[in-house]
Amino acid sequence: GAVVSQHPSWVICKSGTSVKIECRSLDFQATTMFWYRQFPKQSLMLMATSNEGSKATYEQGVEKDKFLINHASLTLSTLTVTSAHPEDSSFYICSATPLAGGADTQYFGPGTRLTVL
Amino acid sequence: QKEVEQDPGPLSVPEGAIVSLNCTYSNSAFQYFMWYRQYSRKGPELLMYTYSSGNKEDGRFTAQVDKSSKYISLFIRDSQPSDSATYLCAMSSMTTDSWGKLQFGAGTQVVVTP
Repeated sequence: GAVVSQHPSWVICKSGTSVKIECRSLDFQATTMFWYRQFPKQSLMLMATSNEGSKATYEQGVEKDKFLINHASLTLSTLTVTSAHPEDSSFYICSATPLAGGADTQYFGPGTRLTVL
Repeated sequence: QKEVEQDPGPLSVPEGAIVSLNCTYSNSAFQYFMWYRQYSRKGPELLMYTYSSGNKEDGRFTAQVDKSSKYISLFIRDSQPSDSATYLCAMSSMTTDSWGKLQFGAGTQVVVTP
């Protein structure tokens, strides 16, 4: 149980295009989903916290107009990287917290590798 | 200074040896401590979770927390080649403002050689 999926698993796009990444909790409902990015050989950096039906909360330094987050249901959150540029190339990982779980119970997705040419 | 410090390694050990990993932190508000395992190009998988000082065992894994020294450790006994991965420590204060927000260490790459 407690499986989180991400789609796509990898994507290559041209500079200036927008890319949408989906995060789904497959067998549980998630009150909160988190979006992280991870550069090679570096740690996960929290980008934003997403709650179903409300606006996402972004961490300091993260451009909310560039990284659009929509948490449409208790099982789906999407991250759209708008007008992507090469510096946005990274590994994007989401996590989800079950309705019945504490905030410490986060299940991570497998990640999406974004390469912007 | 980073809130969570972790040696990136790599740490190479022979099969069957004990793997010893550790993290230090500076924020005394951290109350919850986790260890994650991350295989290459995959998302992190929760291994251990604790919120009190002392030891916690789960199979071959032992997590140790020393809040007075702001130091946490993970020990893996009888290491196997399948334990080769990057191990990330994470911690949180779980206050209202920081609910669910985890601060991760940089991760230590572990290689267990047959």
